[in-house]
Amino acid sequence: GENVEQHPSTLSVQEGDSAVIKCTYSDSASNYFPWYKQELGKGPQLIIDIRSNVGEKKDQRIAVTLNKTAKHFSLHITETQPEDSAVYFCAASRGTDKLIFGTGTRLQVFP
Amino acid sequence: DAGVTQSPTHLIKTRGQQVTLRCSPISGHKSVSWYQQVLGQGPQFIFQYYEKEERGRGNFPDRFSARQFPNYSSELNVNALLLGDSALYLCASSLRPQPSETQYFGPGTRLLVL
Repeated sequence: GENVEQHPSTLSVQEGDSAVIKCTYSDSASNYFPWYKQELGKGPQLIIDIRSNVGEKKDQRIAVTLNKTAKHFSLHITETQPEDSAVYFCAASRGTDKLIFGTGTRLQVFP
Repeated sequence: DAGVTQSPTHLIKTRGQQVTLRCSPISGHKSVSWYQQVLGQGPQFIFQYYEKEERGRGNFPDRFSARQFPNYSSELNVNALLLGDSALYLCASSLRPQPSETQYFGPGTRLLVL
């Protein structure tokens, strides 16, 4: 079945720096790749997603890139702020099947 | 507008007991999915219901069951609880059942099995 690996497990950056989180997937039929942010005591919240017919997508300080050949996708956060501190999850799906989540990255942004 | 609500927020049970978790989706959403999130890991899909019918099931034993009501709220039942069932149980709702539809998660029910 589909497997999603996520790295790093923890990431510490200085406020204003960029943060990059990487995920790889195993099922070449996967075509939908969302990213979720989970703050303490809350459920995951969708922050950005990308479909397999697109290589890159941006939304203000957040961007996601997809390399279908290599089967990996990445989350880029620029100009990080303390409120970006949270656990981030990537996920993959065939579009008609369930979401498979990565193991999460704990991002800490220090002022 | 109210988001996805779940009850109870926390629950403590002992091994062998049964538990029922409840979820109310966002108004107008007909699809509800349940996930189990063990500490330090990503959510794992348990069930999806759409229009009161089961649309998908993850790799969980038959001790796990769910249903959806005419008002689209849902219940997750777990029988014969094991220590390993301790986790955060998340409910997510969406307009339609496709995973590419934005899923809105509730805050979860934290279950501790002693």
